[in-house]
Amino acid sequence: NAGVTQTPKFRILKIGQSMTLQCTQDMNHNYMYWYRQDPGMGLKLIYYSVGAGITDKGEVPNGYNVSRSTTEDFPLRLELAAPSQTSVYFCASVSGTQGRKLFFGSGTQLSVL
Amino acid sequence: KQEVTQIPAALSVPEGENLVLNCSFTDSAIYNLQWFRQDPGKGLTSLLLIQSSQREQTSGRLNASLDKSSGRSTLYIAASQPGDSATYLCAVRSNAGNMLTFGGGTRLMVKP
Repeated sequence: NAGVTQTPKFRILKIGQSMTLQCTQDMNHNYMYWYRQDPGMGLKLIYYSVGAGITDKGEVPNGYNVSRSTTEDFPLRLELAAPSQTSVYFCASVSGTQGRKLFFGSGTQLSVL
Repeated sequence: KQEVTQIPAALSVPEGENLVLNCSFTDSAIYNLQWFRQDPGKGLTSLLLIQSSQREQTSGRLNASLDKSSGRSTLYIAASQPGDSATYLCAVRSNAGNMLTFGGGTRLMVKP
């Protein structure tokens, strides 16, 4: 199993540009999450999904959108990039909330200039 | 709203020392608590998961304890090694909802 795979690893955007961060997992996990981590800070939840076709907002959803058309994929969309969205983005998945460990991707470092 | 705090933010110890990392949370109605390790530029790796009904979990030189009533968890690392140098984060899953709330992490450096 590859686990949780995120692409790209690095990206620089200009203000107002759009992009999609890709996340895919091959563990047949139903729960998937997008977090952002700012320097020296913990992780903040952006959006999450409990299964294909179901998504919900986390703590900091403004400026982002998600979709979950398949169990495997959970892309995160930035429509109008702003400097405040400069961060490291992590995707994670778990098979359920029944006491299972969360698996993380290696992250996408995004700079908006 | 659940809040998770980790103190200290950074810690430097000589190799071989036993050490304790602290995690506190404000809402004791939790489902479970996880400790993660994060190496620079990498994602998070789950180290230990403690269910709300458990008091502790052990894996090798790591031991995590949970005291729900006081809203605290500790991660004990025995005989620390330079390879243990990383940032350690705790995260709490509350009974309500599907979200994990993370602490800010403790950056650990173990000097040879």
